[in-house]
Amino acid sequence: QVQLQESGPGLVKPSETLSLTCTVSGGSIRSYYWSWIRQPPGKGLEWIGYIFHDGSTNYNPSLKSRVTISADTTKNQISLKLTSVAAADTAVYYCARDPSNHGDHGWFDPWGQGTLVTVSS
Amino acid sequence: DIQMTQSPSSLSASVGDRVTITCRASQSITSYLNWYQHKPGVAPKLLVYAASSLQSGVPSRFSGSGSGTDFTLTISSLQPEDFATYYCQQTFSVLPYTFGQGTKLEIK
Repeated sequence: QVQLQESGPGLVKPSETLSLTCTVSGGSIRSYYWSWIRQPPGKGLEWIGYIFHDGSTNYNPSLKSRVTISADTTKNQISLKLTSVAAADTAVYYCARDPSNHGDHGWFDPWGQGTLVTVSS
Repeated sequence: DIQMTQSPSSLSASVGDRVTITCRASQSITSYLNWYQHKPGVAPKLLVYAASSLQSGVPSRFSGSGSGTDFTLTISSLQPEDFATYYCQQTFSVLPYTFGQGTKLEIK
C-alpha cells in the first residue's frame, strides 16, 4: 500500500527557510492531490496547502506569502518550503494524500508519521 | 475561514461504552466532513469521509452522521485501542481546509 515518509532538518533558525520532503512509496504521486498539514505542540491541526500532480497548488491564506509546495514526479516526492520562519512555526509536519478524485472536496488518506521541526537559534 | 467546533474537548469513558463526539461548522458544509483518529507518534488515520462513509478497514463500531452544520462520530462499543484524539475536518471550502480542535478520549 501507499506509504509516506517526511524528512528534513529537525532544527531551523529563526528567519531561515524550512525545507521538508515527503517521499511516497508503493504508488505514484500522479493523479492525486497531496497536502501538507502541521500540528504545533499541544495544539490542533492546521492545513498548509496542497499540490495536484499537474503542479497546480492551493495554499492556506494565512501562510500563502511564505509557502511553496512542489512535486518531483521522477523522484516521487512532494516538497514543502516555508520562508522566514519563527518560533510559531515549530510543529510536527505531516504530508498526506487525497485519494478521492473529488477535486477540492476530498479527504486525507494515508498520512505520513510526521516530522518535528523546531525553530530556535 | 469556516470554524469547526468539537464537543466535548475531552471525554472519559470505559471499554464497552457508547460514545458520541459532535462537530459543528460555522456555516453549512453540506456533507464535506471527515473524521480522523490520532494517537501520539502515529500517523493520523482516516475513519469516516463525506460525513457518513466508513473508510475501508475501519471497524463497523465507528459511524458518522450529519449534514449542513452538525455532525457526529459515534463509537458503538469502545475498545481499548480506541483511546485517542479525534478530529473533524471540513473540505467544503479550500480557503482553507479547517479542522476541529480535537476531542481527547481517555480511559475512565
